Amino acid sequence: GENVEQHPSTLSVQEGDSAVIKCTYSDSASNYFPWYKQELGKGPQLIIDIRSNVGEKKDQRIAVTLNKTAKHFSLHITETQPEDSAVYFCASDSGTASKLTFGTGTRLQVTL
Amino acid sequence: GAVVSQHPSRVICKSGTSVKIECRSLDFQATTMFWYRQFPKQSLMLMATSNEGSKATYEQGVEKDKFLINHASLTLSTLTVTSAHPEDSSFYICSAGTGAGAKNIQYFGAGTRLSVL
Repeated sequence: GENVEQHPSTLSVQEGDSAVIKCTYSDSASNYFPWYKQELGKGPQLIIDIRSNVGEKKDQRIAVTLNKTAKHFSLHITETQPEDSAVYFCASDSGTASKLTFGTGTRLQVTL
Repeated sequence: GAVVSQHPSRVICKSGTSVKIECRSLDFQATTMFWYRQFPKQSLMLMATSNEGSKATYEQGVEKDKFLINHASLTLSTLTVTSAHPEDSSFYICSAGTGAGAKNIQYFGAGTRLSVL
């Protein structure tokens, strides 16, 4: 089955700096790669996603890049703010299947 | 749009009792709903996938008689933890999928924290 690895497990940045989280996946049939933000005690919130027919997607301060050849994708957050502090999960699908496999999560802390 | 409501948000019960958790898609019809379990500081582990009107597909190692899933309509799925024990204490999260197959996007509920005494 699909295996998704995520790094780093924790990340601390100063307010205003950029944060980058990286994921790799194993199933070459995977086509869909969402990123979720989870705040303490809450459910995951979809923040951005990318499909395999594009290499990059941007939404204000958040961007995701995808390298299908290398089977890795990354989340980039620019101009970080304290409210960006949360756990971020990457995920990938299994090609034709609708279920997602999640990475192990990255705890991002944005310090003042 | 794409709001998923999950209730209750928290439940405390005695060992041996059963607990039902509801997951509703409020503004869209969900062809598929998913149930996850999350332990503290860990990732989401898929328990089962349910499609409206059919039996749920359980992941390996998940007891289907322990975790009963009903998906009676395109907007409602329920998870019943039967004869709960302390080891069932966890954070349970549902998600609802829009579209089908390659167009499916999952939106999550707020989760249910189950504590079994």
